[in-house]
Amino acid sequence: SQQGEEDPQALSIQEGENATMNCSYKTSINNLQWYRQNSGRGLVHLILIRSNEREKHSGRLRVTLDTSKKSSSLLITASRAADTASYFCANSGGGADGLTFGKGTHLIIQP
Amino acid sequence: NAGVTQTPKFQVLKTGQSMTLQCAQDMNHNSMYWYRQDPGMGLRLIYYSASEGTTDKGEVPNGYNVSRLNKREFSLRLESAAPSQTSVYFCASSEVATFSNQPQHFGDGTRLSIL
Repeated sequence: SQQGEEDPQALSIQEGENATMNCSYKTSINNLQWYRQNSGRGLVHLILIRSNEREKHSGRLRVTLDTSKKSSSLLITASRAADTASYFCANSGGGADGLTFGKGTHLIIQP
Repeated sequence: NAGVTQTPKFQVLKTGQSMTLQCAQDMNHNSMYWYRQDPGMGLRLIYYSASEGTTDKGEVPNGYNVSRLNKREFSLRLESAAPSQTSVYFCASSEVATFSNQPQHFGDGTRLSIL
């Protein structure tokens, strides 16, 4: 399997704190994407970073990419209870063959 | 705006039965995908269709077949269900294939149990 890994597997923080989760992958990539999954629902796309980018921001989200280490991180600032969800990184190797997902980080925001 | 619609939402089958999972998207996307999600495994690609008229195997295609019926619809068929196929199945679509840096849009899944 070429699945990547997220770290940590689970994270519990207080509302208002920042949440950081990491992702490692195994192959060369064309882009790396982050998705959120609320319980019982499908995945929702959050942000995409291309292989030639190092950092990207979207609202309270900040993503970094280090292709030399084959790793990425997702930072959620000023967390809210509604951010409670599972977060997945997914990479595209450049072919038309779908995404390779990591195993996810389950984030719990305590009110 | 419906996005990606999957039917049914839940299904229980007996070993050896067959069924077809339906997926339709209304975003005029070219590419469609079927994934399965198992506990602790993340999502794994079963089959994909880069464009209407083409289908290809993903990481875990054994035991499944697909049909790209038209640009909107992409179905997944289990010919003879096995307990190992108990999973949550997600359909997704993207404007073009992933090498063009496009995000994927997901349905809410079909929860399938094989007894």
